Amino acid sequence: GESVGLHLPTLSVQEGDNSIINCAYSNSASDYFIWYKQESGKGPQFIIDIRSNMDKRQGQRVTVLLNKTVKHLSLQIAATQPGDSAVYFCAENRGFQKLVFGTGTRLLVSP
Amino acid sequence: GAVVSQHPSRVICKSGTSVKIECRSLDFQATTMFWYRQFPKQSLMLMATSNEGSKATYEQGVEKDKFLINHASLTLSTLTVTSAHPEDSSFYICSARDPQLAGLKETQYFGPGTRLLVL
Repeated sequence: GESVGLHLPTLSVQEGDNSIINCAYSNSASDYFIWYKQESGKGPQFIIDIRSNMDKRQGQRVTVLLNKTVKHLSLQIAATQPGDSAVYFCAENRGFQKLVFGTGTRLLVSP
Repeated sequence: GAVVSQHPSRVICKSGTSVKIECRSLDFQATTMFWYRQFPKQSLMLMATSNEGSKATYEQGVEKDKFLINHASLTLSTLTVTSAHPEDSSFYICSARDPQLAGLKETQYFGPGTRLLVL
C-alpha cells in the first residue's frame, strides 16, 4: 500500500531555555527506557536511561522522568544550546534486548 | 569505548543488484547485533536480530530472503539487500550491545548508519 511520511512534532526553544520532550509508551511490561539523540544523517546517540523501578534520573544537563501509571516518559534538557538541536527518540526495552522506538521529536534551538 | 562502525556510509546502486552493508564493533565483542531501517522523518524500525554463529531472527514483515544477515564473528555482522528496488532506499542502522555490561547496562550502541539509494 501507499506509505505516508510522518511529520515529526517539533519543539522550538530559545538558547538558554529549558526543554521538555515527552514520550508515551504502550507496553506496561517494559522495564527499561532510553532516550537517544539523532543528528541529521547519523546514528542515534545515547543520552540517558532509566529502569522501571525508578521515577527520576539525572545526568549532565538532562533529567528523565518516568510515570508508569500513565506510561509516560519525559526528557528535560536544562539551558538548551544550539548543539542540542536534533531529533530525540525514546525507546523501550520489550524484552529479549528488543528496543521499540517512539516516533521522535525534533528540537530546534534558536541562538 | 563502545564504538560501532558501518561501511559504506552511503551507497547508490541500480535496481536489481545486491548491496552488502557491514557493521563492526571496534572495541568490544558483540554476540548480538541489531539491524534497523529508518525512512525519512520516521522512527527506527527493528528489522532483525543478528546472533553470532546462528541464524538471524527477523521481525514480522521483514523478508529474510531479501535481507540476508550474516554474523560470522563477534565483531562483524553484514546485511545484504538482495535484488534491491527503489522502495528499499532507506537509512540502515546497526547496533550492538556490550555483553560485558549485561545486567549493568543494556544500552545498545549504534553505528553511524548507511544511506542506500536504489535507482
